[in-house]
Amino acid sequence: QSVLTQPPSASGTPGQRVTVSCSGSTSNIGRNTVNWYQQLPGTAPKVLIYLNNQRPSGVPDRFSGSKSGTSASLAISGLQSGDEADYYCAAWDDSLKGWVFGGGTKLTVL
Amino acid sequence: QVQLQQSGPGLVKPSQTLSLTCAVSGDSVSSKSATWNWIRQSPSRGLEWLGRTYYRSKWYNEYAVSVKSRATINPDTSKNQFSLHLKSVTPEDTAVYYCANLDSVWGQGTQVTVSS
Repeated sequence: QSVLTQPPSASGTPGQRVTVSCSGSTSNIGRNTVNWYQQLPGTAPKVLIYLNNQRPSGVPDRFSGSKSGTSASLAISGLQSGDEADYYCAAWDDSLKGWVFGGGTKLTVL
Repeated sequence: QVQLQQSGPGLVKPSQTLSLTCAVSGDSVSSKSATWNWIRQSPSRGLEWLGRTYYRSKWYNEYAVSVKSRATINPDTSKNQFSLHLKSVTPEDTAVYYCANLDSVWGQGTQVTVSS
């Protein structure tokens, strides 16, 4: 059971906008920033969003992050087939004194 | 840009020590703004943070409760790298191990199998 809660799956058609939610608590998302990672099949995770809503260079602006209270969201607009991947949220947990992750959301492009 | 290159064995015998190294390029392991982490991933546990090392006028090491008694993370400033040592491994430690700066970059991953 992961500390951060994500839906196990999400889907959309090409061009659509989809969102992935991440629910936590006051000890993690409520007090600290959230990162999002994309893991394509058979590869290492890649930083998609850091500090709630910042994109590393090279990440398209189709990807955006937001946070409110103890929850965070990743939005993907203009969905493409290459976006099929697992998406994970993560945050520092002040009580556990460590990084905690969501269980991952598998995105399918129909 | 920052890159991380992992090295280490893919097979470790039960009760022995798992040792992995992560070479940093494009940044300094002594950076006062970065933290250097080890994470593992398995089907049963998902992504699990193991610990980190970082420099803020002195070195700090922090570990997950689940591995605190068995794990050691060491920086090596002369080679600009950091390492993970996990002692007394069991088959439960079988996983893909990653090093990462969680705000910027992950290593390529190392599949480690604990088996005799």
